[in-house]
Amino acid sequence: EIVLTQSPGTLSLSPGERATLSCRASQSVSSSYLAWYQQKPGQAPRLLIYGASSRATGIPDRFSGSGSGTDFTLTISRLEPEDFAVYYCQQYDTSPPWTFGQGTKVEI
Amino acid sequence: EVQVVESGGGLGKPGGSLRLSCAASGFTFSSYSMNWVRQAPGKGLEWVSSISSGSTYIYYADSVKGRFTISRDNARNSLYLQMNRLRDEDTAVYYCAKTLGYCSGGSCYENYFDYWGQGTLVTVSS
Repeated sequence: EIVLTQSPGTLSLSPGERATLSCRASQSVSSSYLAWYQQKPGQAPRLLIYGASSRATGIPDRFSGSGSGTDFTLTISRLEPEDFAVYYCQQYDTSPPWTFGQGTKVEI
Repeated sequence: EVQVVESGGGLGKPGGSLRLSCAASGFTFSSYSMNWVRQAPGKGLEWVSSISSGSTYIYYADSVKGRFTISRDNARNSLYLQMNRLRDEDTAVYYCAKTLGYCSGGSCYENYFDYWGQGTLVTVSS
């Protein structure tokens, strides 16, 4: 099983600032099969990034993903008020289980 | 518009059973793998189970293997999760999630979740 470790646990920033979230895998994630999701309180997760760096439909370009192998990053270039939420990474290698990181909370 | 709507959650007793349903619309249900993902109160996300478009490939997390059964009815655009031998630690919001992926030859590709329902809460308590 691939274990994903996200850091930091909480990121305290202000609107307009840059957010950098890390996701580290316990073993190499093949073909960059890594996704990022955003979840706000009381809501379902929303897909942001897939394939480590491809934005999902309708996702603003201030969100970007990068990385390969075992180290991946989600960057929010300029935080908007609606971006304060919890972010999860997920690996979707070709065999289950498909696992999530424990989440990073981006707070004001 | 893609929609997935879960139902069937509620209070279940330890050792008891519940059946969750997910009604899908706005896409060709029979063409896509579907999944259940859960989230315990105040905790992170946990993948639970996956079923391929034609039900050929079915997978479970170790935590539910032998107790939960996933199934689908493509004619009714519906996904199900039969939950037996419930445990306290099964308490969670259960999400139905669509994937763009597919399975072939025992491997599954692109199994990330592009649409999620709003979830249904399952509480296991005596």
